[in-house]
Amino acid sequence: SYELTQPSSVSVSPGQTARITCSGDVLTKKHARWFQQKPGQAPVVVIYKDFERPSGIPERFSGFSSGTTVTLTISGAQVEDEADYYCFSLGDNYLGMFGGGTKLTVL
Amino acid sequence: EVQLVESGGGLVQPGGSLRLSCAASGFTVSSNYMSWVRQAPGKGLEWVSVIYSGGSTYYADSVKGRFTISRDNSKNTLYLQMNSLRAEDTAVYYCARDLLPDSSSDYWGQGTLVTVS
Repeated sequence: SYELTQPSSVSVSPGQTARITCSGDVLTKKHARWFQQKPGQAPVVVIYKDFERPSGIPERFSGFSSGTTVTLTISGAQVEDEADYYCFSLGDNYLGMFGGGTKLTVL
Repeated sequence: EVQLVESGGGLVQPGGSLRLSCAASGFTVSSNYMSWVRQAPGKGLEWVSVIYSGGSTYYADSVKGRFTISRDNSKNTLYLQMNSLRAEDTAVYYCARDLLPDSSSDYWGQGTLVTVS
C-alpha cells in the first residue's frame, strides 16, 4: 500500500537545523512536495520535486531525496518557521497521499 | 490573479448530502488539474479527489462511491458532491489547483467547513 510516514514532532532552538523526514516506497518512483501549514491557514508549498524551492521561499528551506526517504531541512530555523509540515506525493494509481504531518516547535 | 473560493459547507446530519463549490478566477478550471483536500479538526491533511483536464477522476478509498468531483465549464467552478455523509467526513474542505509533486506552484482556496452531526 502507498503510505508516507513522518515523525509526529520535531523540536529545535532558534538558529539550529531542523530536519523532517518522510518515508514511503512510492518515493523511489515519485517526487515529493513539502507544505508548511500554520493554524487557520491553507498549506503553502516550501519544496517541490524533492529539492526545488519555489520563488519567495527562504533559502534556509531545502530538500533531499535518497531511496525511500525525503528530508526537509530548515537551516537556522526561525521562530516564524514553527508550523505543521506535510509531505505529499502521488501513487501509481493516480491517488494523492499526504504524510501524517510533523509539528515543528522552535523555542 | 488566481483565486479559488469555496462555498457550500455547513451542518448536515449523518446520511445526508452536501455539494461544495469552488469558484475559480484568473484561470480556466477545465484546463487544469483540480483537487479536493480535507482536514478534520486538529488532524492532518487528507487527499480526497482529483479531476484531470481531460476529465479523468480519482478518489480516496475513504470517499469512493460516496463523493463525486465535477466541474461546470460555463461557471468556471469545481464541485464536490458528497452523499451518505458520516461523522468522520467532518472537516475543512479545500480545493486546490496543480497539487502535483513536480508543480512549481499550486493554489488553494480558504476552505469550507463541513460538520456531520
